Amino acid sequence: DTGVSQNPRHKITKRGQNVTFRCDPISEHNRLYWYRQTLGQGPEFLTYFQNEAQLEKSRLLSDRFSAERPKGSFSTLEIQRTEQGDSAMYLCASSLRDTHRDTQYFGPGTRLTVL
Amino acid sequence: AQKITQTQPGMFVQEKEAVTLDCTYDTSDQSYGLFWYKQPSSGEMIFLIYQGSYDEQNATEGRYSLNFQKARKSANLVISASQLGDSAMYFCAMREPGVNSGGSNYKLTFGKGTLLTVNP
Repeated sequence: DTGVSQNPRHKITKRGQNVTFRCDPISEHNRLYWYRQTLGQGPEFLTYFQNEAQLEKSRLLSDRFSAERPKGSFSTLEIQRTEQGDSAMYLCASSLRDTHRDTQYFGPGTRLTVL
Repeated sequence: AQKITQTQPGMFVQEKEAVTLDCTYDTSDQSYGLFWYKQPSSGEMIFLIYQGSYDEQNATEGRYSLNFQKARKSANLVISASQLGDSAMYFCAMREPGVNSGGSNYKLTFGKGTLLTVNP
C-alpha cells in the first residue's frame, strides 16, 4: 500500500525559470489537492480536483501557476517565471469522496527554493 | 479573521506525561470537520484524528483524543503518555465548503501550528 508521492522532493531554481512538480495520489482516491506552506505557517489551499476536473483555484494561485490532472490520476503543478516569493513547500494531498471523514492524506512535499 | 486559532506557539512536556494542544475555530456552517495533523521535521503532514461536527462523542485514536466542545468552538488535542517521537509541529485544521462545492465540504484551513517538544 503506497501513500501519496511527490517528485522532486527538492528543487532549486533561478528566478524567471519554469518549474513543474508531480503528485501521484493514493490510487483509489478521486480528490486531489495542492497546498503551499511557507516557513512558520500552516499549509494554505491552492487548488482542488475531483477526478480530472479542477473545481476551485485559490486567489493565491496567480496566472503564473497552472495545475492539471489528466485522466484523473497524477497531477502536475507548474510555476512559470518563478519569483523569490514562490519559495515554499508545495504539498499534495488526496482523499476519497463519499467517505464519512473524507480525510486528506498528504505527500512528503516538494521544497522549492528560488534564488 | 482567522478561522483556526492555535494560541500556543510552543509547548514542552515530559516524556510519559499527557499534554493538551489548544485549537479554537470560527465557522457559521453547521456541517464541518476538524482534523489534527502532525508534521515532523521531515515535512510530511501525518493525519492523527478527526471530529465531525455532528459526532456526539469525542474522537479517540490510540494515544490521541480530541476534546470537542462545540458551543465553545474548541477542538483540543490530548496526547497521553508522551513519547520522544511525538516532538513535532501539530496543526489543527477545519474542512469547510469551497466555492464550487455544491454543499460538499473539502477545503482544509489550517492554524499556525504548535511546536511540541517532549523532554526525556
